[in-house]
Amino acid sequence: KNEVEQSPQNLTAQEGEFITINCSYSVGISALHWLQQHPGGGIVSLFMLSSGKKKHGRLIATINIQEKHSSLHITASHPRDSAVYICAVKGPDKLIFGTGTRLQVFP
Amino acid sequence: GAGVSQSPRYKVAKRGQDVALRCDPISGHVSLFWYQQALGQGPEFLTYFQNEAQLDKSGLPSDRFFAERPEGSVSTLKIQRTQQEDSAVYLCASSLSTSPTAFYEQYFGPGTRLTVT
Repeated sequence: KNEVEQSPQNLTAQEGEFITINCSYSVGISALHWLQQHPGGGIVSLFMLSSGKKKHGRLIATINIQEKHSSLHITASHPRDSAVYICAVKGPDKLIFGTGTRLQVFP
Repeated sequence: GAGVSQSPRYKVAKRGQDVALRCDPISGHVSLFWYQQALGQGPEFLTYFQNEAQLDKSGLPSDRFFAERPEGSVSTLKIQRTQQEDSAVYLCASSLSTSPTAFYEQYFGPGTRLTVT
């Protein structure tokens, strides 16, 4: 069993839909990253959070430390949101990554 | 730009060749990380530097992999006698963190896609 699991693995949506990507982890963590990876490999950090909720534009990230679960929400999705979204948790000394959720948003 | 840069962006090597992948971190970033990302997978940790010191190399898959950061800025990941299973995207990230246990945001480079034929 992977220490960080994401669901779904693949997600397709129509433009405008509300998107939710989930991340569950089994290790003790100090913080959690949500990352966005576009084709070609470049990774951009979206959020770093250790409790509660953060919002940036159309993106919202929440974390429940007791349940070891985080969600990334995208409101009013757009084709340019199409990417792989990766959850990474900060264990005792290094980041542990999920395998990612591939999102495709169609116009 | 002021981001993390990596070169080359793409590298094709024949099996058995040696390759060297370069990472230029953000200026002033103390910590530097190398990750390996196989197709369809999330990145996996390879090694970590704090300045010029390689503090953790537990993720290097074999002794054919070697990383250095001699002056505490630019880093090179070298793979000797490449094998097909080495084909992956190699990502570099840097951060302001001065401790392996502290959590500062990591800034990722665009990666080097290595294909071993």
